[in-house]
Amino acid sequence: TQLLEQSPQFLSIQEGENLTVYCNSSSVFSSLQWYRQEPGEGPVLLVTVVTGGEVKKLKRLTFQFGDARKDSSLHITAAQPGDTGLYLCAGEDYKLSFGAGTTVTVRA
Amino acid sequence: EAGVTQFPSHSVIEKGQTVTLRCDPISGHDNLYWYRRVMGKEIKFLLHFVKESKQDESGMPNNRFLAERTGGTYSTLKVQPAELEDSGVYFCASSQTYYGYTFGSGTRLTVV
Repeated sequence: TQLLEQSPQFLSIQEGENLTVYCNSSSVFSSLQWYRQEPGEGPVLLVTVVTGGEVKKLKRLTFQFGDARKDSSLHITAAQPGDTGLYLCAGEDYKLSFGAGTTVTVRA
Repeated sequence: EAGVTQFPSHSVIEKGQTVTLRCDPISGHDNLYWYRRVMGKEIKFLLHFVKESKQDESGMPNNRFLAERTGGTYSTLKVQPAELEDSGVYFCASSQTYYGYTFGSGTRLTVV
């Protein structure tokens, strides 16, 4: 049983467009983390959210954590080709439980 | 600072052979984790070391997998004997807290 569901599975957009990736959990974790992974590399931590309702911004990336601490979203404004990659959410409880990921392709 | 180093980056072995994967964590990181992604599946937890002690090995698939962490520094993950379903990418991660995991680039294991 997958604890974290990510949607969509694939997303292809034109440079300059906005995109949103969703992560929904069946459980409440101590924290929820977002990672980005590129081919041949390991996941790289983007952000950790802990508090329900929390919003964090990282340049053009905005992360939201739902009030019930079960759902989260990643919004990218004015996407660039360099944003292309696999975006993963993971719930943390002394170890990480990953979602299956969303593959984002930004076309120039 | 140097990141998490894993080697080999790729390994192709025959079913029934033994393979040993190595992970060098970031210096000073007490927590070391092994994760695995098999084809078409999400990344899954294998085990967690705190220094040289196994804190949680609930994700280890079976007794063909043996992990060690010598002196709380580097770790090895041995698969003996390897089976076809062991193919996948094995990631190591280290952290000083539970909020800041750093992953290595992974070892792609192919069992033929």
